[in-house]
Amino acid sequence: DIQLTQSPSFLSASVGDRVTITCRTSQTINSFLNWYQQKPGKAPKLLIYAASELQSGVPSRFSGSGATTDFTLTISGLQPDDFATYYCQQVYTSPPLTFGGGTKIDIK
Amino acid sequence: QVRLEESGGGVVQPGTSLRLSCVASGFLFSAYTMHWVRQAPGRGPEWVAQIAKDASENFSADSVKGRFSISRDNSKNTLFLQLDNVRPEDTAVYFCARERRRLIPQFDSWGQGTRVIVSS
Repeated sequence: DIQLTQSPSFLSASVGDRVTITCRTSQTINSFLNWYQQKPGKAPKLLIYAASELQSGVPSRFSGSGATTDFTLTISGLQPDDFATYYCQQVYTSPPLTFGGGTKIDIK
Repeated sequence: QVRLEESGGGVVQPGTSLRLSCVASGFLFSAYTMHWVRQAPGRGPEWVAQIAKDASENFSADSVKGRFSISRDNSKNTLFLQLDNVRPEDTAVYFCARERRRLIPQFDSWGQGTRVIVSS
């Protein structure tokens, strides 16, 4: 199975900050990576698909980049609504699809 | 709009069975591969199982293989997950999710989840 390692696991930031989260995969997955945001008690919400494509309705301050084994999610200008946990997901090999361990962003 | 609504969760004893349902609306259910994803308390999401749009094939995670089975009834726009011989480690919120394919597969719509607690 492909393992996904996210870093950091936890991040404190302020409104307006530029935040970058990384996701490293245990083998190459080309661009078969998605990013989700999850708030407490809610289902994950799709933000970015195919490593860099912005899901409809998601603010443009969210962006994704990377390929093969190293990927990043960047939030340019953190907003109060962005404090949440973020997960990457690989869909290169299925089954199983796998998720990263998550990065929680909270208010500094 | 697209809506997925899970039900069937509850508190059950180890070794017993449970069936979860997910009713879909707002889209052509029979045109989509569907998934179950679970999330244990304080943990990240874990993919559980998937089923093709016509139920011609399905796959499940090794952690549930032989105990859980996924099925669907396209005439009723409903996805199912049968949980047999449940274990305490199956305690989680179970989500159903729709797989969309734009360039690659992604889960673009999720239900609100149904909670399963396995405890004696």
